[in-house]
Amino acid sequence: GENVEQHPSTLSVQEGDSAVIKCTYSDSASNYFPWYKQELGKRPQLIIDIRSNVGEKKDQRIAVTLNKTAKHFSLHITETQPEDSAVYFCAASWGTGGGNKLTFGTGTQLKVEL
Amino acid sequence: DTAVSQTPKYLVTQMGNDKSIKCEQNLGHDTMYWYKQDSKKFLKIMFSYNNKELIINETVPNRFSPKSPDKAHLNLHINSLELGDSAVYFCASSQDRLAVNEEQFFGPGTRLTVL
Repeated sequence: GENVEQHPSTLSVQEGDSAVIKCTYSDSASNYFPWYKQELGKRPQLIIDIRSNVGEKKDQRIAVTLNKTAKHFSLHITETQPEDSAVYFCAASWGTGGGNKLTFGTGTQLKVEL
Repeated sequence: DTAVSQTPKYLVTQMGNDKSIKCEQNLGHDTMYWYKQDSKKFLKIMFSYNNKELIINETVPNRFSPKSPDKAHLNLHINSLELGDSAVYFCASSQDRLAVNEEQFFGPGTRLTVL
């Protein structure tokens, strides 16, 4: 089955700096890669996703890149703000026909310091 | 206007008891899921139902039994609770497994503590 590794497990940055979280996946059939943000005591919420036919996607301060050959994808957050502090999860799935089975990474605790 | 709701929010019980967690979504989605998040925050899928049909059943003890009376509800019943069952359980839904938009919407979670 799919295995997703995520690094780093904790990341501390100064407000205004950039943050990068990296994930690798094992199943070359995976074609959908979402990123979820989970604030303390809250539910995971989708912040951005990318499909295997796209190399990069951007939404304001958040961007995701995908390298299918190397089977890795990354989340980039620019101009970080205190409200970006949360746990971020990457995930991978082979959505259509696979029942949207998301395999999650182990999470990255991002702390944005003033 | 809650999209995915779960009850109860907190559940504290003794080892050996049987308990249920209920989930409802009002998004008109066809697919629903149960996830377990352990103390290390690791999120792992347990079950998935598509239009009341079981489509994903991970290696979960058979003490856990999901039930979907209709496509808007997916309940989780747990028999003979064990200490290791303590976790946060999240319900989620998505439009359907063949949809272009596969975003999964999560419920608020149920924190289960087994004493």
